[in-house]
Amino acid sequence: GNSVTQMEGPVTLSEEAFLTINCTYTATGYPSLFWYVQYPGEGLQLLLKATKADDKGSNKGFEATYRKETTSFHLEKGSVQVSDSAVYFCALRSGGYNKLIFGAGTRLAVHP
Amino acid sequence: GAGVSQSPRYKVAKRGQDVALRCDPISGHVSLFWYQQALGQGPEFLTYFQNEAQLDKSGLPSDRFFAERPEGSVSTLKIQRTQQEDSAVYLCASSLRDSQLVNTEAFFGQGTRLTVV
Repeated sequence: GNSVTQMEGPVTLSEEAFLTINCTYTATGYPSLFWYVQYPGEGLQLLLKATKADDKGSNKGFEATYRKETTSFHLEKGSVQVSDSAVYFCALRSGGYNKLIFGAGTRLAVHP
Repeated sequence: GAGVSQSPRYKVAKRGQDVALRCDPISGHVSLFWYQQALGQGPEFLTYFQNEAQLDKSGLPSDRFFAERPEGSVSTLKIQRTQQEDSAVYLCASSLRDSQLVNTEAFFGQGTRLTVV
């Protein structure tokens, strides 16, 4: 069946450090891939997405590239800020509607 | 409000009690989803509505779980005879429309944290 595996947290970084959160997936067909973010006390928010192989999603300085050959969708940011502290979820959608399959989430803590 | 609204935000239930969780989707959104998020885990799909029709309930963990959306707007997730393993955050999401050709962004509510004691 379809599944998403992402690196365990917490990830602790200093401000302005480089961030990578790994995400790999297993899916039949051609899924769409997403990164969602959950800030403290708030609901899940879509951060970025990619709908086909080699697409790059980007938003707020975050990027992720859909790699079909490695079934990966790693999240990167060149210089993190304290305000990026949150839980990040990788997810896929395979099928005709927004039935999302999520990874377990990775908590990011950024210190000044 | 402009977003997906869920109530109550927190619910404590005694084991065996029935609970009802409410979701007000964004106005005009056709699709509505319920997810269950256990502590330290990602959300897991429970059920999906398109307007008032429940098109997928494959994620409901047992027949104690029941969801409805009778007028194609507000939805209620009901859990009968709650058990400790039902303790989780229940998330609702809505999207403008979904089809094989077009998928629009799903917007999530803040969730209802259910604790069964």
